[in-house]
Amino acid sequence: DTAVSQTPKYLVTQMGNDKSIKCEQNLGHDTMYWYKQDSKKFLKIMFSYNNKELIINETVPNRFSPKSPDKAHLNLHINSLELGDSAVYFCASSQRQGEDTQYFGPGTRLTVL
Amino acid sequence: QKEVEQNSGPLSVPEGAIASLNCTYSDRGSQSFFWYRQYSGKSPELIMFIYSNGDKEDGRFTAQLNKASQYVSLLIRDSQPSDSATYLCAVRGYSSASKIIFGSGTRLSIRP
Repeated sequence: DTAVSQTPKYLVTQMGNDKSIKCEQNLGHDTMYWYKQDSKKFLKIMFSYNNKELIINETVPNRFSPKSPDKAHLNLHINSLELGDSAVYFCASSQRQGEDTQYFGPGTRLTVL
Repeated sequence: QKEVEQNSGPLSVPEGAIASLNCTYSDRGSQSFFWYRQYSGKSPELIMFIYSNGDKEDGRFTAQLNKASQYVSLLIRDSQPSDSATYLCAVRGYSSASKIIFGSGTRLSIRP
């Protein structure tokens, strides 16, 4: 029944490692997003895909690489993890590009030691 | 200057009173304005959006928009302890493809 799901919920890893976060939505939406929320609660968009095509790519280090195998999935791979990558990462989806109502997943808390 | 600014709080309001949350934004071309509620450890949840100047009411919530002053507010009437959360103001620019910019949120605490 979960509309937007993410795995894992928690991720603890060492600096320098590579990790992935998966996101799936079962709402039939065309557009998916990745957001990063830092310790000060500041929520900032990283990427947006519409029908598997990248439409928003914020100034994010190229260690972060999103991948959308189909429009229901948007995964985030992070290479060479750094301490500053520690944050909560939220996936979200909307019916279509520019649709104002976005549905957020439960978040993945990433801790880099 | 931050694109969307909010007072971080905490804002403490007695139960049953009106909670007033404020937000200013820098992009005059902004077209869509949102209020999200985020409980601790949970994901943001959209509670209101507003496009036109004036007030928009939904139950105990009223969003107010003043584009000339670049100001958005959220009023919560008859505040309940369950309203205690962080409230995120968010703004979308002119283009429908443009991203939604979030403020850093105001933490609201309703005291019984």
